[in-house]
Amino acid sequence: AQRVTQPEKLLSVFKGAPVELKCNYSYSGSPELFWYVQYSRQRLQLLLRHISRESIKGFTADLNKGETSFHLKKPFAQEEDSAMYYCAGWGINNNDMRFGAGTRLTVKP
Amino acid sequence: DAGVIQSPRHEVTEMGQEVTLRCKPISGHDYLFWYRQTMMRGLELLIYFNNNVPIDDSGMPEDRFSAKMPNASFSTLKIQPSEPRDSAVYFCASSPSVRDYGYTFGSGTRLTVV
Repeated sequence: AQRVTQPEKLLSVFKGAPVELKCNYSYSGSPELFWYVQYSRQRLQLLLRHISRESIKGFTADLNKGETSFHLKKPFAQEEDSAMYYCAGWGINNNDMRFGAGTRLTVKP
Repeated sequence: DAGVIQSPRHEVTEMGQEVTLRCKPISGHDYLFWYRQTMMRGLELLIYFNNNVPIDDSGMPEDRFSAKMPNASFSTLKIQPSEPRDSAVYFCASSPSVRDYGYTFGSGTRLTVV
């Protein structure tokens, strides 16, 4: 089945430390992958898309086809980065986006 | 654009009552999705529409759930009768295309069935 997997439900780091939120995918062909962020009791917001190769709020994510991964990284975490992060992807044979289970990031002062 | 608009923001109802959740997608978006979010199960796709037509409703948990999209600017998700296990946050999202854009989500409706 085509899906994305986020192996960590919880991740805690100290302010200023690097952070990496893991996402692995199992898709045939070339998937299109996204990261969404949900701050406390707010709507999910698109953080970045792999096709854009952009950096948003200091976050980047690189598609690694060899490892079938799309990990989200930030070199220096800030307290305001504390949120729920969802990896999501389209597959060639899917018409809907599949979300991972999410990782709750807590950045401690 | 005001984004995807959902109403109500919060709904508390008694078990057995009918609940109707509403969504207004972004104008021009051809796709509309309904998701349910719970602590235990995360984000679950319930149903999605393309040009007002339901495409995949395999995520609808049971016959108590139904969704309609009578026109391009309005969709409803109805639960009848509601049960406590339906308590969750229900999100609506819309997208202009299937693949390359991603979704815009509404603020969600927090449903509590007591």
